[in-house]
Amino acid sequence: TQLLEQSPQFLSIQEGENLTVYCNSSSVFSSLQWYRQEPGEGPVLLVTVVTGGEVKKLKRLTFQFGDARKDSSLHITAAQPGDTGLYLCAGGWGAQKLVFGQGTRLTINP
Amino acid sequence: NAGVTQTPKFQVLKTGQSMTLQCAQDMNHEYMSWYRQDPGMGLRLIHYSVGAGITDQGEVPNGYNVSRSTTEDFPLRLLSAAPSQTSVYFCASSYDPGQFTGELFFGEGSRLTVL
Repeated sequence: TQLLEQSPQFLSIQEGENLTVYCNSSSVFSSLQWYRQEPGEGPVLLVTVVTGGEVKKLKRLTFQFGDARKDSSLHITAAQPGDTGLYLCAGGWGAQKLVFGQGTRLTINP
Repeated sequence: NAGVTQTPKFQVLKTGQSMTLQCAQDMNHEYMSWYRQDPGMGLRLIHYSVGAGITDQGEVPNGYNVSRSTTEDFPLRLLSAAPSQTSVYFCASSYDPGQFTGELFFGEGSRLTVL
């Protein structure tokens, strides 16, 4: 059983479309991070959110932490082929543990 | 900047063999961890360490041992490999062991196949 559930697990859309990826849990997390992973590489941090209700923007990417600190979303506006990759959410769990969701594999078609 | 370095990048083992995956970081991070990545499962935490001489179990520790004799190195040992341990293994480090408000830096991964 995953502590963090991501949806959808796979998403394939056309360039220029908008999309939202969700990361949900029944547990409260001290922080929530989003990573992006390219094939053959390790994940790279995109953003960290720590306050319930917090919204952060990174160019065309908008990240939100739920008010109760149990869920998060990643919204991409006007998706581009360069956004293709595996997106992973991760939550600070207890002391010194960072647990990951199963990932959303995103494909943006030209 | 080397960052987090993992060796080997690829390894094939037979069931029952033992091996060690090496991980070294040059960022003077106190926190280091090992994850395994399987299709559809994301990354699962195997073991972690908050400093030299201190290690603890993660979500899936069975079949793996770790030690932390220096700040720089955090090897992962498979004592008797099983096919279920076929996976991609990632080592990661961070300067923030407490609340994860800082970045977790990952190595490039070690792909292990157990026949």
